[in-house]
Amino acid sequence: EVQLVESGGGLVQPGGSLRLSCAVSGFTFNKFNMNWVRQAPGKGLEWISYISSSATTAHYADSVKGRFTISRDNAKNSLYLQMNSLRDEDTAVYYCANSGDYRLDHWGQGTLVTVSS
Amino acid sequence: DSQMTQSPSSLSASVGDRVTITCRASQSIRNYLNWYQQKPGKAPNLLIYAVSSLQSGVPSRFSGSGSGTDFTLTINSLQPEDFATYYCQQSSSMPWTFGQGTKVEIK
Repeated sequence: EVQLVESGGGLVQPGGSLRLSCAVSGFTFNKFNMNWVRQAPGKGLEWISYISSSATTAHYADSVKGRFTISRDNAKNSLYLQMNSLRDEDTAVYYCANSGDYRLDHWGQGTLVTVSS
Repeated sequence: DSQMTQSPSSLSASVGDRVTITCRASQSIRNYLNWYQQKPGKAPNLLIYAVSSLQSGVPSRFSGSGSGTDFTLTINSLQPEDFATYYCQQSSSMPWTFGQGTKVEIK
């Protein structure tokens, strides 16, 4: 069974940092590209970052470029999102999702990040 | 960036109805169009990929069509478990983008 489990969310002050993790099982992690997608309270879905299976390529939404960094450890079957200079508008549920052929196949249950003073 | 516009933003329908949701891209996205279903408090779930391919386990009452910039998700004979929010998403070019969502509610 494919499983993706996010962790690391919580309450952080504006300007602060947080590192999210996504632990995966049930598929060959090092063969899949991975993504982070977020959803602000009561709002729609926003794709924010992608990393290729070998970590050679990464992409970011303009809204997080320069502040967030995606990474992965294929030996640990884990995906990460380092979030710096957090803003109120970064408050959201953050989902990790794998992507095979240009689609977000499987998603985690999400972890809530709240940016507030 | 390819902007995705869904319509309607919400709709009310009855069990057994046929429902159609449209998604328009700001530029051609070829066939790189996916649909997701999201129920309250849950993660999204992939329904249809590459315009019209049904994800494994998804009921055949769901179908997708379209090409280029205009796409449609159709639900034939709406079932109680289909009341949810539906999102289109393009994967033709980075950044990947979603439509704003269509909430399907019970009439």
